[in-house]
Amino acid sequence: DVKVTQSSRYLVKRTGEKVFLECVQDMDHENMFWYRQDPGLGLRLIYFSYDVKMKEKGDIPEGYSVSREKKERFSLILESASTNQTSMYLCASSLRRVNEKLFFGSGTQLSVL
Amino acid sequence: GENVEQHPSTLSVQEGDSAVIKCTYSDSASNYFPWYKQELGKGPQLIIDIRSNVGEKKDQRIAVTLNKTAKHFSLHITETQPEDSAVYFCSRGAGSYQLTFGKGTKLSVIP
Repeated sequence: DVKVTQSSRYLVKRTGEKVFLECVQDMDHENMFWYRQDPGLGLRLIYFSYDVKMKEKGDIPEGYSVSREKKERFSLILESASTNQTSMYLCASSLRRVNEKLFFGSGTQLSVL
Repeated sequence: GENVEQHPSTLSVQEGDSAVIKCTYSDSASNYFPWYKQELGKGPQLIIDIRSNVGEKKDQRIAVTLNKTAKHFSLHITETQPEDSAVYFCSRGAGSYQLTFGKGTKLSVIP
């Protein structure tokens, strides 16, 4: 069965800390995505990657960076966490082409105090 | 990205009744319209999708309709059951890797 695993379900960090959110997929998918989910705002794309070491900005990349050193792993980095980055973060992957089914992880609820 | 408007934001129906969620988009290049269901504590899961060369698609109790001229598409759930209670997101794509999602509809099915 297809699986996207996010390393933490809940995370509490302090303002100014560097935060790493990790995501691993076991499906040999080419594409990986990081979304942010906030009540009343839906899902917003932060960054995506269509190949190892490749990355593209989504709609809200400010304050975030990403790393994809291996095909199966996609990391979201908050260089200096701020309270407005408190949110649910969802990782997703898709096979190869555009307009294909996204497989989501269960999410990481990040609280920045 | 292009906006997608989704309505209603909340919807309560009696078990057995039908539920309809509607979305509108503005980008004429949109050609892919998936719907995702998110249950409590889980990530969204694709339940049905439709491409722009098709006007309607059904899968058991769920169906999606697309009106390209009016730029709107809808999700229809018939004979609703308590396990249909979830948040539903419409989305659209236009031949790139980016999907734009609606803000979600919280559906409650009352037994």
